Order: sequence, then structure tokens, then C-alpha cells
Amino acid sequence: DGGITQSPKYLFRKEGQNVTLSCEQNLNHDAMYWYRQDPGQGLRLIYYSQIVNDFQKGDIAEGYSVSREKKESFPLTVTSAQKNPTAFYLCASSIVGRRETQYFGPGTRLLVL
Amino acid sequence: ILNVEQSPQSLHVQEGDSTNFTCSFPSSNFYALHWYRWETAKSPEALFVMTLNGDEKKKGRISATLNTKEGYSYLYIKGSQPEDSATYLCAFVKAAGNKLTFGGGTRVLVKP
Repeated sequence: DGGITQSPKYLFRKEGQNVTLSCEQNLNHDAMYWYRQDPGQGLRLIYYSQIVNDFQKGDIAEGYSVSREKKESFPLTVTSAQKNPTAFYLCASSIVGRRETQYFGPGTRLLVL
Repeated sequence: ILNVEQSPQSLHVQEGDSTNFTCSFPSSNFYALHWYRWETAKSPEALFVMTLNGDEKKKGRISATLNTKEGYSYLYIKGSQPEDSATYLCAFVKAAGNKLTFGGGTRVLVKP
């Protein structure tokens, strides 16, 4: 089946630790996105990529890093510089274009120990 | 930072009743408005993409209207059913931009 997978479902981070969230899609989409959701708030864009080996910062990129070495994969690293990482993280993909529907993965919940 | 507001934040609806809620967005530099439905323990799913002032879209019992001049969109659910329980998100796309700005969502709970 075509779709987006995210792993793990839950992730625990210790102080000072970098953690990486996985996002893979087999929809042949060029564009991929990372969003963060906090309780009572909408989705906020962290990073996005419209082509392999290129990505742009979203609204809240500080403390995060990404790579786009393959079309299918867009991993997000939450670095130790991100002081408030506890949140729900959603990955999405789409055909490039502002009218195009984004398809979302199931999400990863990150908790700080 | 773009201001995209959804109201109310949550609402309870009796099964069989109809309901509606609002997404407000900047009326200038409009390009498109997306609506998504997000059921608990599932991924958000697209409902509509709207681009023209006065546009009206329908999918089963759910419909949406768009007023770009005044900066709002309504989502309607006719004859609500328990399976309509979800958070409904709108997302604004501005002209000369290439990303979605989401509202905070309206959480709908349909009671049997």
C-alpha cells in the first residue's frame, strides 16, 4: 500500500541528547514536510523540502535539523538545542504545489526524560 | 506570522443535528485554503482545497464555503453522525508563499 510511515511511535529523549525521527514515503512525492503539534495549538511547520538535497526552514526550525538524501526519506533530528522538544511530530508529503493535498503519517510523540 | 483562527475550539453535537464552524484568515494575499479532518489515533486526511471566492465544496454530508474578500470559510456537517467526531483543521496558503499555515482546529464530538 502507498503511504507515509513514521517511526518510532513514541520516543524518549534524555537531556543533552540528539534524537532522530524517521519519515518514509512511497507515494513518489517530491515535497515532504515536518510539523510539530503542541496541545491546543495547530500544526506548525518545522522544515520542508521540495526536491532531493534541498530543504527550507519553516516557522520554528531552531533546534531541529533535517536531511533529504533520498526522495523517499526525510528524517528530522531534534538536537539538544531544542529546549522544549516534548510534542507530537507529524510528517507529510505531497506533489509540489500550493494547491496540492498533503498526506500525513501517523506521527511520533517525543517525550523528555 | 500569519493569523489563522478557528472557532469554536470545540463543540458537542447531538447525533442527527447539523453544525458549522469557522476558519478566519488574512483577506489579503489569498491563494488557497485547505480543510483536513483528523480523527483520534489516525492521520489527518484532506477534505477540500478551495481557491475561488464564493467557492462551495461538498463531500457527502460535509460541505465548505469560502469568502476570500472577508477572510473566512465555513465548514458544515449535515445530520452529524458519531463517525464525524474529529478535529477539523483549516490551513491558509498565501500568494507568493509555498507553505500551509494551520489554524488551531475545531474539535467536534458527536454524541449518540
